[in-house]
Amino acid sequence: DTGVSQNPRHKITKRGQNVTFRCDPISEHNRLYWYRQTLGQGPEFLTYFQNEAQLEKSRLLSDRFSAERPKGSFSTLEIQRTEQGDSAMYLCASSSGTSYVYGYTFGSGTRLTVV
Amino acid sequence: KNEVEQSPQNLTAQEGEFITINCSYSVGISALHWLQQHPGGGIVSLFMLSSGKKKHGRLIATINIQEKHSSLHITASHPRDSAVYICAVIMNYGGSQGNLIFGKGTKLSVKP
Repeated sequence: DTGVSQNPRHKITKRGQNVTFRCDPISEHNRLYWYRQTLGQGPEFLTYFQNEAQLEKSRLLSDRFSAERPKGSFSTLEIQRTEQGDSAMYLCASSSGTSYVYGYTFGSGTRLTVV
Repeated sequence: KNEVEQSPQNLTAQEGEFITINCSYSVGISALHWLQQHPGGGIVSLFMLSSGKKKHGRLIATINIQEKHSSLHITASHPRDSAVYICAVIMNYGGSQGNLIFGKGTKLSVKP
């Protein structure tokens, strides 16, 4: 297992287009998190899954955003009708969730640029 | 006011210097992460600690739960230590178990 994998690494899209990102977590990790990071800021929580269940969504996750983890393994994050304000680094992380205090493993992120 | 505050925001050091980055938080936590982010964007977890002190190579992390404060120290700094260092806490309440609250990061530049 090579860690948390995110694809693509970079995405440039025109405003109004839909984009989808993928995250493959560490195989034995049952928790998966999505974060968004804008320039000069720390990451902000978007949503997280325990297995296939989406347990929490941030208010940052407008109705244009949807995330899935259909089989409790990889996850996708889709942004519909992209706006320039969506330009950011989208980070995925996973953890084992076997105790309340977890270690996290982060992916390298997908950098989205909306033009 | 952010729940997690880091200082300084930017730090420039000469190679070999001892470096300290501070993190203060205002919420109850179960643990705290120190993370390293290089310009390419990927984040590496350096430490997770809930009490006391941890050491890994030239890196030392301490936490004082009563004072709600943590520090990351780098001894004998090197240009390859140049990165953004982010403090993140796991909040200690049931609604968001396991979710991290991040500081804005400290950008460290170590000059040769």
